[in-house]
Amino acid sequence: EVQLVQSGAEVKKPGESLKISCKGSGYSFTSNWIGWVRQMPGKGLEWMGIIFPGDSDTRYSPSFQGQVTMSADKSISTAYLQWSSLKASDTAVYYCARLSSASLDFWGQGTLVTVSS
Amino acid sequence: QSVLTQPPSVSGAPGQRVTISCTGSSSNIGAGYEVHWYQQLPGTAPKLLIHGNSNRPSGVPDRFSGSKSGTSASLAIIGLQAEDEADYYCQSYDSSLSGDVFGTGTKVTVL
Repeated sequence: EVQLVQSGAEVKKPGESLKISCKGSGYSFTSNWIGWVRQMPGKGLEWMGIIFPGDSDTRYSPSFQGQVTMSADKSISTAYLQWSSLKASDTAVYYCARLSSASLDFWGQGTLVTVSS
Repeated sequence: QSVLTQPPSVSGAPGQRVTISCTGSSSNIGAGYEVHWYQQLPGTAPKLLIHGNSNRPSGVPDRFSGSKSGTSASLAIIGLQAEDEADYYCQSYDSSLSGDVFGTGTKVTVL
C-alpha cells in the first residue's frame, strides 16, 4: 500500500527556520516525483513545486522560487520542505503527494504550520 | 490568481447532475495538456478523482466523469449524493509558468 506520512504540526515564530518531512512507503521512492502543495487557511490549493528523489532534481513554481527549499534523502525515502526565515504569511497546511503520469495520486495527511509571534 | 478558473460554488439536490467547469487558455488546457481533478472533503487531504482528462482511479464511483474541449475541461457528478459535498479542484500544466497549476476551486453543496 502506497503511503506518504508527514511530520506533525509546528508552531513557530517569525524569523525562525523549519524543515518538515514526508516519508514514503509501499513503492519505489526514487521512481516518482514528489510534489508539495500549500493550502492557506480557508483558501485553495497552490502548486509549490516538485522534487525527484532519485537525483534531487527540483522544479519550483515561480511564486515559491527562493521562498522555500525542497530536498530529499532517498536512503530513508523521505522528502523535505524547509524555510530559512518564516513569515506569518507562511501559515498554512502543506501537503506532499506522489506524482504519477502528471497527476498527484497519493497524498500525505498534511502538516499544519503556524507562524505567530 | 490562478490561470485555471472555476466557479466558486455549485449546488444541486440529491440525485441531480452538476457540472464544474475549469477554464484555461492556450498555454495550458488549450495546448493539449491533460487535466486532472481532485476532491477535498472538509478537513481532509485532497484525493485524486479524475486523471488524464477522463480516467477514474480504482475505487472512484462512475457517477464522476471528466471531459475536455478546447481551452476548458469539465467535471460532472451524476446522481449527486450528500457525501459529494466537498471542494473540487482541477489541475493542469502551464507552459508559460513552466509548471503545474491548480484551478481556483469549486465548493459543491448538496441541497
